[in-house]
Parts: sequence; C-alpha cells; structure tokens
Amino acid sequence: QSALTQPASVSGSPGQSITISCTGTSSDVGGYNYVSWYQQHPGKAPKLMIYDVSNRPSGVSNRFSGSKSGNTASLTISGLQAEDEADYYCSSYTSSSHVVFGGGTKLTVL
Amino acid sequence: EVQLVESGGGLVKPGGSLRLSCAASGFTFSSYSMNWVRQAPGKGLEWVSSISSSSSYIYYADSVKGRFTISRDNAKNSLYLQMNSLRAEDTAVYYCARDGGAAAGTKIDYWGQGTLVTVSS
Repeated sequence: QSALTQPASVSGSPGQSITISCTGTSSDVGGYNYVSWYQQHPGKAPKLMIYDVSNRPSGVSNRFSGSKSGNTASLTISGLQAEDEADYYCSSYTSSSHVVFGGGTKLTVL
Repeated sequence: EVQLVESGGGLVKPGGSLRLSCAASGFTFSSYSMNWVRQAPGKGLEWVSSISSSSSYIYYADSVKGRFTISRDNAKNSLYLQMNSLRAEDTAVYYCARDGGAAAGTKIDYWGQGTLVTVSS
C-alpha cells in the first residue's frame, strides 16, 4: 500500500486561506468516505481535525473544512492564524481494511 | 476525558523483542477498535496494526506482518503490541490510538503521547 500523496509544504499569510490536497486511488480515498485529517505540532501527538471527509469533531474550529472529489481529498484552512502552523496528515481506510496515511504537509504561516 | 498512556518503549538490539502496552481510561474500552501507529524520527505517520473491539478482526501493515502481534485485554482496559525480530527501521515513536468509527481504521480519533522504540546495536 503506497502512502497517499500530499504536497511537502504550503504557506500562507495570516487571514488567508490555504488548501492541502491528498491524492490516493480508487482503493482508498476514492472508494470510501473515510478520509481523516490530523494536525501535529512538533513533539506532540496528532489531533483529529476532520473525519469522514468533511466532518469536524467537537471543539475544532469551523475554519477547518474538508472535501473530496474522485481520488483526491482536500483540507482547507480559512482565516489562517499563527497557531495553525503545524504538520498536517491525511489518512484513508483502504479496501484491505488497512489505514494509509499521507506523507504529511508542513504548513508555514508567514 | 479519553486518556491513552503507552509504556514499554526503550532501546533494543536488532533481532530483539519488546512489548508495548497502552492503558486506556475515560471511555468504554471494550466498545472500541484500537490501533497502533508509528512515526520514525523526522518522518510521517505509518499505520501499524488495528484490532476490533472483541479481537475478532486484526490487521497488520505489510511491513510488520509476521513479526508484530496486536492484542487487547478488555478486562484490564489495555492494548498491547508484541514486537519480535526488530529491525533498525522499526525505530519510531509508537502511538496507541482509539478508533471511533464503525469499523477499525475508519476514524482514529484519540491518540496517546507515544513511546519511543529505538532499535540499535
């Protein structure tokens, strides 16, 4: 199972919006609505930000939103804030009942 | 409050074994699937294994299949990972993670703080 494909890095200024893509195959992202997104600050455990493609857990800011088209899922962060600077990972359930993660994207808030 | 506390990490020689444990609290452990996810130093997340609530369904990443064994004890609210034939490439922080989805692997929602496993001679 190959890792999902994410851009290595993205950046944006405070107040702007950014989008991180996550590309898989019909055996994972495209085949199931079980795409999640995680935020990880240095030295910390990952935190769930989006699940089931577009749902936000309680307590997660509505500045975070998710979507999917075909084999590509996307995470959009609007109104960028300094505390959003972190690594972001997507994940998907697969046809083998496994989990596959993306390689991670480093978000820099300029 | 959901809490997951890993233990058992440390330094082990190549070919050696280690058993990780995860103590769960703050939720009905026996109702949830659980996962192990690892992260090599400076690298991304890699799913290792998952186990359903009653241990009926167990899955492993190809990279660890045949060497690692996941198990759980619902009476003790604990998750385990027995790691044998360890290799340098198994060096990573190992996270215990709850699955809040309909099936194992569909929604990893809570993570522990991780335990570091270092495989080196």
